[in-house]
Amino acid sequence: QVTLRESGPALVKPTQTLTLTCNFFGFSLSTSGMCVSWVRQPPGKALEWLALIDWEDDKYYSTSLKTRLTISKDTSRNQVALTMTNMDPVDTATYYCARSGVIGGRYYFDSWGQGALVTVSS
Amino acid sequence: QSALTQPASVSGSPGQSITISCTGTSSDVGSYNVVSWYQQHPGKAPKLMIYEGSKRPSGVSNRFSGSKSGNTASLTISGLQAEDEADYYCCSYAGSSTVVFGGGTKLTVL
Repeated sequence: QVTLRESGPALVKPTQTLTLTCNFFGFSLSTSGMCVSWVRQPPGKALEWLALIDWEDDKYYSTSLKTRLTISKDTSRNQVALTMTNMDPVDTATYYCARSGVIGGRYYFDSWGQGALVTVSS
Repeated sequence: QSALTQPASVSGSPGQSITISCTGTSSDVGSYNVVSWYQQHPGKAPKLMIYEGSKRPSGVSNRFSGSKSGNTASLTISGLQAEDEADYYCCSYAGSSTVVFGGGTKLTVL
């Protein structure tokens, strides 16, 4: 059974750096075609794709946020991390990690974590 | 990249059919057949309902169907049921290994 679980601080201050971790089970990021993405959702608002990392350690970022984002993986620990610098209150959102690369291709997110709410406030 | 355009809300009675549109541009929806749809119930994670524009993952009801014409993708739900009440998001490949989501549509089952 595939599961993903996000973890990280629930509260960060403006200008701080956020680091989130996605622990996953039931698949390996060393499998050809496998990918993990981060997607966020501000309260009451739409989903926004942030970043993707694939089994070959290639990394892709949202055009509007790429200067602030770093995605990385630890295949042996079944973990994917996301760091976002210079946090601002508008970054308050639920952050999801999601798997892709199994159904159809790398841009279809077939399994999601339950999400981690991050609030940016002083 | 800008978010894809969806109606803020749609509604229908049980048993009816509804269609949710998702309008992009020639840089995303219009250029690639890489459109997906997600269902999200309140407080829950999104669920993949349609991929490659019209394919259903295993376990998704055949009441859900997808299509695309030009820069607009559509999700149709037939035989509407109370459990279909949720938010729906489209998503498209937008080039340069990026994806873009739509603004979301709230479906109300009357």
